[in-house]
Amino acid sequence: DARVTQTPRHKVTEMGQEVTMRCQPILGHNTVFWYRQTMMQGLELLAYFRNRAPLDDSGMPKDRFSAEMPDATLATLKIQPSEPRDSAVYFCASGHIYEQYFGPGTRLTVT
Amino acid sequence: GENVEQHPSTLSVQEGDSAVIKCTYSDSASNYFPWYKQELGKGPQLIIDIRSNVGEKKDQRIAVTLNKTAKHFSLHITETQPEDSAVYFCAARLTTDSWGKLQFGAGTQVVVTP
Repeated sequence: DARVTQTPRHKVTEMGQEVTMRCQPILGHNTVFWYRQTMMQGLELLAYFRNRAPLDDSGMPKDRFSAEMPDATLATLKIQPSEPRDSAVYFCASGHIYEQYFGPGTRLTVT
Repeated sequence: GENVEQHPSTLSVQEGDSAVIKCTYSDSASNYFPWYKQELGKGPQLIIDIRSNVGEKKDQRIAVTLNKTAKHFSLHITETQPEDSAVYFCAARLTTDSWGKLQFGAGTQVVVTP
């Protein structure tokens, strides 16, 4: 079964520290999405890539968040510096034309 | 942009009964409507989807119906089982967005009691 993988699964860090989350999309998928899920806001789209090129990152706080796709097998989401309000579950999803398949998520806690 | 509303926010059903979740969308240009199931501690899992050229689609105990005129679509789960307990999300995609961006509903917490 092809799956999206994400690392780490859990991350606890102190305010001000850099956080890097990684995602390996399903082989052959050319679109990668980053979402954030909180109880208050639900699923929010942060950024997405097509053929490794960033298409839209308007959902991200630009001053502290950055998303990249250095190659077809790796997408990264960085937060620097992290803040307590960034505590959430971050999901990566990959797809081809219509369907999107989600990874298991990274649960981030910023203290 | 697209706006998706989902109802109810919580749904409690007896095992064996049916569950129905409804979503409405705002943009008539939407052409793809997936449903996701999210269990505790896991990522959303695509369970069924429908495209705008189809009115109904079934997969075993789940079915989705689409009414393009009224701009709403529904998820039907028959013969519910305890393992159907989860949060369900609907979503819609705009035809004009060729990159596949989805707008999600707020989710429905389904609890199936034995």
